[in-house]
Amino acid sequence: EAQLVQSGAEVKKPGESLRISCKGSGYSFTNYWISWVRQMPGKGLEWMGTIDPSDYYIKYNPSFQGHVTISVDKSISSAYLQWSSLKASDTAMYYCARHHLSSSPFDYWGQGTLLTVSS
Amino acid sequence: DIQMTQSPSSLAASLGDRVTITCRASQSINNYLNWYQQKPGKAPKLLIFSASSLQSGVPSRFSGSGSGTDFTLTISSLQPEDFTTYYCQQSYSTPHTFGQGTKLEI
Repeated sequence: EAQLVQSGAEVKKPGESLRISCKGSGYSFTNYWISWVRQMPGKGLEWMGTIDPSDYYIKYNPSFQGHVTISVDKSISSAYLQWSSLKASDTAMYYCARHHLSSSPFDYWGQGTLLTVSS
Repeated sequence: DIQMTQSPSSLAASLGDRVTITCRASQSINNYLNWYQQKPGKAPKLLIFSASSLQSGVPSRFSGSGSGTDFTLTISSLQPEDFTTYYCQQSYSTPHTFGQGTKLEI
């Protein structure tokens, strides 16, 4: 069965950099897009962006573009979400999810990575 | 961006009740509408895709309908595990926006 396993919780200071990961298994990694979704404490779901591992095509939500970077390493079936300079407002749970096409539903989700940014 | 508006934001119901949650898109999204269930501390789970298709393994008491701009999620007979939060999402165009969520309470 397909599975997405995310890296563990992080506690960082404002201005620090970070990369979190999402490793796919049990399916052909390059056949499915990976999206990242943010959930701030007590709030709803926000789509951040997506990547097609087969050709590295990336689409960002304009609300997040320039603040995060999405990437993938096909050789180890992993996708990444990266920040170069964290803010306190980045404190949130981050989920990765797979979908077959850009317009497909998100059928498998990672367990989430909790990021806390505090001085 | 396409805005997704769910109603109600919260809903109180009882075991065995039939409930309906509505999702409205700010423009036509054909049937590119998905419904997710999220329990506290857990990742969302896909319930319904393409407006009315039941995801494998999801109980048949869940159903979806609609097309264009107006969509509904119906739970025919509420079970204890159904009292949680539900989100709609459009996958018609990026950004793939979600509704604000509906919290279903006992």
